[in-house]
Amino acid sequence: DQQVKQNSPSLSVQEGRISILNCDYTNSMFDYFLWYKKYPAEGPTFLISISSIKDKNEDGRFTVFLNKSAKHLSLHIVPSQPGDSAVYFCAAPWGSGGGADGLTFGKGTHLIIQP
Amino acid sequence: DVKVTQSSRYLVKRTGEKVFLECVQDMDHENMFWYRQDPGLGLRLIYFSYDVKMKEKGDIPEGYSVSREKKERFSLILESASTNQTSMYLCATQTGNQPQHFGDGTRLSIL
Repeated sequence: DQQVKQNSPSLSVQEGRISILNCDYTNSMFDYFLWYKKYPAEGPTFLISISSIKDKNEDGRFTVFLNKSAKHLSLHIVPSQPGDSAVYFCAAPWGSGGGADGLTFGKGTHLIIQP
Repeated sequence: DVKVTQSSRYLVKRTGEKVFLECVQDMDHENMFWYRQDPGLGLRLIYFSYDVKMKEKGDIPEGYSVSREKKERFSLILESASTNQTSMYLCATQTGNQPQHFGDGTRLSIL
């Protein structure tokens, strides 16, 4: 059973507007979350993370929000740019050893930025 | 900058063959991982390793084995390749509390 869920396979947003990508999780023991971005024919690249002791983390145009009671996190991209078109994966540590145990990933959301 | 190199970008093999996928990193990271990515399924963890000669099973280890004889190299082995192992294979490395760094992947086709 998938513990990290991204229920939107794709999302289309106009350039300059806000992109909001959502992620839900089932395991209340998760204490750290990551977002990765993936272009075709390349490996995923780390984008931003958040610890469960915070409810928000910001890095430039990217902000991740965490709602622990709802077991929900979201990635906001403002403003959206054409280079943001990619597949975005939400992830959490797979075991109890933090990132050293590997990650469990959502199925991904394909973000398409329209000119 | 972390460099994770996967030996082949594309590979075509036949059913029943023994297949080796190689991953080499240049940053002395202690942790290394193998994932596969399939459309609609995201990335799934196959095996990982904390140290030389150490290995741990991930979510989907069946049909695979791994080898880590040197710290910088982590090999994924398909003992007897089957068509359902056609996939994109991604290697990653990690150290301390840093996020994982991925290679560019090997697209493996089993005919």
